[in-house]
Amino acid sequence: EVQLVESGGGLVQPGGSLRLSCAASGFTFSRYSMNWVRQAPGKGLEWVSYITSSSSTIFYADSVKGRFTISRDNAKNSLFLQVSSLRDEDAAVYYCARDQDLTFFDLWGQGTLVTVSS
Amino acid sequence: QSALTQPRSVSGSPGQSVTISCTGTSNDVGGYYYVSWYQQLPGKAPKLMIYDVSKRPSGVPDRFSGSKSANTASLTISGLQVEDEADYYCCSYAGSYTWVFGTGTKVTVL
Repeated sequence: EVQLVESGGGLVQPGGSLRLSCAASGFTFSRYSMNWVRQAPGKGLEWVSYITSSSSTIFYADSVKGRFTISRDNAKNSLFLQVSSLRDEDAAVYYCARDQDLTFFDLWGQGTLVTVSS
Repeated sequence: QSALTQPRSVSGSPGQSVTISCTGTSNDVGGYYYVSWYQQLPGKAPKLMIYDVSKRPSGVPDRFSGSKSANTASLTISGLQVEDEADYYCCSYAGSYTWVFGTGTKVTVL
């Protein structure tokens, strides 16, 4: 089955860090660029970060630049997001999403919840 | 990277048509033919409904259609059905490997 499964979310204090993971299966992960998209409770979707299939190109939304780091391990079919210096406004469900040549997101995981609270 | 503007909610009776607008700028919606639409049911991940402005993925009913004019894209649901009640988000490529989503629209079937 073609799927993405996120993990690593949890409760973290403001200023803290977490490493989110996304396990891919059922398709050739190394051929696709990947993204993280988040959704704060009761709010809309926000694109967070992008990484090409070879990790040669990486981009971030201005809201997370300098605090979040995206990476991948093609040998382990895994995508990661290191989230650091967390703020209240970073609390959200974080989805990993596969994109098709910069045009659309055709495969989404179920999401992992990050809660920021002291 | 400002969010694209969508109406907060739209509603219609079963069998009617509803249209959701998505307004951006020449730097996103108006500048690229890469507008997509996603349906999100409560507690679920988004699901791709329309890509490249007007194309439907396999398995999406043909009552869903998309279009674009200048800086505004639209999603139309014709022959509204109860199972179409959900949140809908537009999304546009915004250049330099970045994307912007819409504010989201709740579709209610009366």
